[in-house]
Amino acid sequence: EAGVVQSPRYKIIEKKQPVAFWCNPISGHNTLYWYRQNLGQGPELLIRYENEEAVDDSQLPKDRFSAERLKGVDSTLKIQPAELGDSAVYLCASSLRGTGPYEQYFGPGTRLTVT
Amino acid sequence: DQQVKQNSPSLSVQEGRISILNCDYTNSMFDYFLWYKKYPAEGPTFLISISSIKDKNEDGRFTVFLNKSAKHLSLHIVPSQPGDSAVYFCAASGNNDMRFGAGTRLTVKP
Repeated sequence: EAGVVQSPRYKIIEKKQPVAFWCNPISGHNTLYWYRQNLGQGPELLIRYENEEAVDDSQLPKDRFSAERLKGVDSTLKIQPAELGDSAVYLCASSLRGTGPYEQYFGPGTRLTVT
Repeated sequence: DQQVKQNSPSLSVQEGRISILNCDYTNSMFDYFLWYKKYPAEGPTFLISISSIKDKNEDGRFTVFLNKSAKHLSLHIVPSQPGDSAVYFCAASGNNDMRFGAGTRLTVKP
């Protein structure tokens, strides 16, 4: 069974440029998460989807970040414009259902460097 | 606000000995706890979990202990192997929320 797929794996951009990350969850997983992980810290939730619906986006900086999950399968996270402080690893995860006794399965992440 | 804390950023143990990784949480709404292992350039992978109705869960060399009154959980690895060297994240879940600790880097020396 294929795991969570993310692309690109690495991205280097200059500040004020836009960037987009793509995620394809495990087949059959209804819930999709985007996390940001800063160096030396644990993952922090940005947004959680149940199928197509964003059910928790309270931590998403909506002035520059946007996300979509059309058709309830793969998802895209966008930053426009990027700032130096956005340098981090962006992780996508999926699970059968929402938080609770359901383990999340993570992709390898996209390491973003903003210069 | 750090609702899940892993106070030891690193731990080094000898192969064959026990590794004990600790985690504290503050939110009493958390009722499910997980440990993830992360190798460099990979995403975290699920290792073991425990529900708040239990105080111990064992899976092979890995055992998680939960002390609800102290809001503390620990992961025991016995015996430790060099392949266990990784960053271990504690996570706490409940009330539609999941929080991760900052991680502990475990090094198992041959």
